[in-house]
Amino acid sequence: GENVEQHPSTLSVQEGDSAVIKCTYSDSASNYFPWYKQELGKRPQLIIDIRSNVGEKKDQRIAVTLNKTAKHFSLHITETQPEDSAVYFCARTDGLTFGKGTHLIIQP
Amino acid sequence: EADIYQTPRYLVIGTGKKITLECSQTMGHDKMYWYQQDPGMELHLIHYSYGVNSTEKGDLSSESTVSRIRTEHFPLTLESARPSHTSQYLCASSEAAGGYQETQYFGPGTRLLVL
Repeated sequence: GENVEQHPSTLSVQEGDSAVIKCTYSDSASNYFPWYKQELGKRPQLIIDIRSNVGEKKDQRIAVTLNKTAKHFSLHITETQPEDSAVYFCARTDGLTFGKGTHLIIQP
Repeated sequence: EADIYQTPRYLVIGTGKKITLECSQTMGHDKMYWYQQDPGMELHLIHYSYGVNSTEKGDLSSESTVSRIRTEHFPLTLESARPSHTSQYLCASSEAAGGYQETQYFGPGTRLLVL
């Protein structure tokens, strides 16, 4: 089946700086693009998603952008805080495959 | 409160034993999934279901079976546990909304140790 490629695998940023994580997909029929956050020892939880009829969606400090031409979608976190430290996963539209995850480390 | 539940939360068992991991959801969702995940690592799909009497194999399905007799219940059985099965097992569910994928909601997980 189609996969999603997620980069980078690890991202370390200074507290207060921005972080960007990118996922690339190959299926042109994809129409749903979610991002999940998994804190240490906890279950993954959806933090933001976007459908193919919009190019960007924001929720306070987090945003997701979609480039259908280039077939990638990105998670943007601004003004990073210690509680943003976690593993972030993107997922394929059908929900059956997740990206390999990005370990986001917020340096004090 | 609508949620997704997994039991047991922790299990230590010997090699060769047959085990069943339980998953129940009170969210009324049609789709359910089982994933294997080592801490902080990639999620590997084991099995999934679109609804009652529907079961499909994922990438890691060869050593386990599932059943979906009731909408809310999706148990995973390992016929013969091996040390390589040591991992965390996550159950998830989502609505099947007219062909559009919806948010997956995850259970708290079962941590399995096979000696």
